[in-house]
Amino acid sequence: DAGITQSPRHKVTETGTPVTLRCHQTENHRYMYWYRQDPGHGLRLIHYSYGVKDTDKGEVSDGYSVSRSKTEDFLLTLESATSSQTSVYFCAISEYSSNEQFFGPGTRLTVL
Amino acid sequence: GQQVMQIPQYQHVQEGEDFTTYCNSSTTLSNIQWYKQRPGGHPVFLIQLVKSGEVKKQKRLTFQFGEAKKNSSLHITATQTTDVGTYFCAGYNNAGNMLTFGGGTRLMVKP
Repeated sequence: DAGITQSPRHKVTETGTPVTLRCHQTENHRYMYWYRQDPGHGLRLIHYSYGVKDTDKGEVSDGYSVSRSKTEDFLLTLESATSSQTSVYFCAISEYSSNEQFFGPGTRLTVL
Repeated sequence: GQQVMQIPQYQHVQEGEDFTTYCNSSTTLSNIQWYKQRPGGHPVFLIQLVKSGEVKKQKRLTFQFGEAKKNSSLHITATQTTDVGTYFCAGYNNAGNMLTFGGGTRLMVKP
């Protein structure tokens, strides 16, 4: 498996609290992605990054922000968590755009 | 925006039977990828198809990309219990910057 870790792996939080999920890679890949996975919806892209400090919105970006200050780290922040953001969050990386993506182990987030 | 639909959503088969999942995009794709996710796991890349009409095989798995580059299929011959999981197709738009996933087909194999 590619060197991708996500932290935390599980988190339970309350509505209205801020939450930050971290994705760390050791592959030096340029592209990093955040997806959420919900039953019946497959994987939906939240935000992606094509370099340090270069990010763009995906399909379901409302309520989420991201930052990438180093090649190896991509942070996903929920400024004020809502119950609709309860999901499994996957980070992915790829060396080039249009290439295969390698996924991290996922973070299960529950917002009460 | 681009939509990728996948059918069926679920499939139960007896071990040894064949299995096929179909993927259709609302727009032309530059390429299509297939991933497998085991229960409780993360998606794992299987293959990428780029050319119109392309067919690729991996042991018992056969992948096809349609002539119009808007549909694809994955066929598994003689399923085994190790094939259990959810199979996702995913397509890049022509800008090549975002991968759109289908909803997945969950395969269950009865021994």
